[in-house]
Amino acid sequence: EPEVTQTPSHQVTQMGQEVILRCVPISNHLYFYWYRQILGQKVEFLVSFYNNEISEKSEIFDDQFSVERPDGSNFTLKIRSTKLEDSAMYFCASSVDISGNTIYFGEGSWLTVV
Amino acid sequence: QQQVKQSPQSLIVQKGGISIINCAYENTAFDYFPWYQQFPGKGPALLIAIRPDVSEKKEGRFTISFNKSAKQFSLHIMDSQPGDSATYFCAAGSKAGFQKLVFGTGTRLLVSP
Repeated sequence: EPEVTQTPSHQVTQMGQEVILRCVPISNHLYFYWYRQILGQKVEFLVSFYNNEISEKSEIFDDQFSVERPDGSNFTLKIRSTKLEDSAMYFCASSVDISGNTIYFGEGSWLTVV
Repeated sequence: QQQVKQSPQSLIVQKGGISIINCAYENTAFDYFPWYQQFPGKGPALLIAIRPDVSEKKEGRFTISFNKSAKQFSLHIMDSQPGDSATYFCAAGSKAGFQKLVFGTGTRLLVSP
């Protein structure tokens, strides 16, 4: 079964450092998403991306965050200057279209900011 | 209005019993209601989903019941097994919102042997 793959699985970074989380969505999917889950809490939407641009973003997704699809297969989330409160599991997801087809989630990248 | 309220927060069910998790929403623009299962350290995995044009959908031991007028939907797990022990999230999305999913707060299910 096709899957969304994410790297790294776990990253520890110092406060103020830049972090890039990488994702390879399912190959024929056109819509890409980042979500995050703070330990023990619900999954929260960060951003959706279609046709090489952001289609929607949440209030969490401030100027410190950016997304990019640099080469047609990877989809990255960059956090410019990490804060302690950015510590969370970050999930990449993708779907074929927006007509209600399944949104597939990756296994997540666990980010710890110290 | 974007919230999805989920209950209970945790649930203990005996093996073979029925697990029932409930969710409620307010935004009538939602038109897609999936349930995700999450094991510790893993990503959410889609279990079953429903659209508002049907009142019930069944896949194996999992059934979604949907009440459009009450803006509520629920997950029923029949013949619950210890392997079903996980956290379950309901969610809601809409085509207008590029299927941005709004998740419930999760229900931690423990099925005792």
